[in-house]
This record gives sequence, C-alpha cells and structure tokens, in this order.
Amino acid sequence: ETGVTQSPTHLIKTRGQQVTLRCSSQSGHNTVSWYQQALGQGPQFIFQYYREEENGRGNFPPRFSGLQFPNYSSELNVNALELDDSALYLCASSLFTGHNEQFFGPGTRLTVL
Amino acid sequence: GDSVTQMEGPVTLSEEAFLTINCTYTATGYPSLFWYVQYPGEGLQLLLKATKADDKGSNKGFEATYRKETTSFHLEKGSVQVSDSAVYFCALSSRGDDKIIFGKGTRLHILP
Repeated sequence: ETGVTQSPTHLIKTRGQQVTLRCSSQSGHNTVSWYQQALGQGPQFIFQYYREEENGRGNFPPRFSGLQFPNYSSELNVNALELDDSALYLCASSLFTGHNEQFFGPGTRLTVL
Repeated sequence: GDSVTQMEGPVTLSEEAFLTINCTYTATGYPSLFWYVQYPGEGLQLLLKATKADDKGSNKGFEATYRKETTSFHLEKGSVQVSDSAVYFCALSSRGDDKIIFGKGTRLHILP
C-alpha cells in the first residue's frame, strides 16, 4: 500500500510569483485535504477535494486554489505569493468524505523571499 | 468556533519519566479527538484517537481518555524513551465536518 506522497520537498519562490504543489493520495483514498503549517504552529485547514470538487474551505483567500484529478491526486496553487505564505504545506488523504481519519504526507516546505 | 488548546512546550524529561501533555477543547456537539506526532523532518502521524466520551485511545505506550465533562484529552505515557522526542499535536474533528482542527503543538525533548 502506497502512502501519501508530495512534491517537491522544498521550494523557494519570490513575492508575487505563483506556485503549484502536488499530492498523490494513499491507495484507495478518494478525498484529499490541504493544510498550511506555519513555523511553530499547528496545521490549518485550507480546503478539501472530493470527486474533483472542492468540498469545504478554511479561512484562506481565493488566491489559494486547488484541483483534484480522476486518479484522486491533487494540486494546490497559490498565486501572488506573500512572505506570510512561507510554511510547510501538508496534504492528507482519507477513505471518503466525512471519514475523519486522515493520513498525511511529508509536506512541501515553501519559502517566499 | 471549535478550538484546541494544549500545553506549551518545550517539555524536557529524562528517559523513563512519566509524561503528561494537557489538551482541552471547545466544540459544538461530540467531536472525534486525536493525537498526532511529528518527528523531525517528517509529516504528521496519527498516534491515537477516540471517537466518543470515555473512550480511551492507546498506541505505542501512549494513552488518552476522552473526558466530556472536562472537555479534555490529555496524553500520557508511563515511561518515555529518547525516541519519543517529537512535536505532539492534539486535534479534533466535528461530526459531519471534514476538517481537522489542531492545537499549536507541544515539543517534547527526552534526555538519555
């Protein structure tokens, strides 16, 4: 059974740029959630995707957007990067929506300069 | 809104000491409660969970009991090891809601 994988591991961008982060869900899981973990803080929910549709969103601006593909993998896109977007971005997959046991990937460390 | 409050770290203990990390929550309804652990350089791993009042979650010698009357879910271990050094997150997920709400985390250092 393959766990949740994320790419890239690390990324450095400059303010105003755009970034795309990728996530492959655990085998058999059809729901993907994204979290932002700032340094020294707990993860904060960005949004969730189920059956290629956004299924819940946290308190993040529209410049944070996502996609889910038919194979249940997912992308997180952030436009107009700000310094405060520097964080560890975590992807989590679950068996189905409403099943709250989520399995996390290792994360992508984004640094915005 | 729903929230989780856990004791601030870092917590430093000697090997074989008893561990308690306090966690309290605020939620409408009856949430599921979790402890996640994050080892250095790694992602979050589910350590244990409890889905209803008085349930006890346990794993790897760690335990936590869902206390509805005190809205608490304190993490305990009788004898910690150096390998337990990590950041521990208390978290909740409300029924019908897919997001997990995390506390700020407690860094644990175990000295040999």
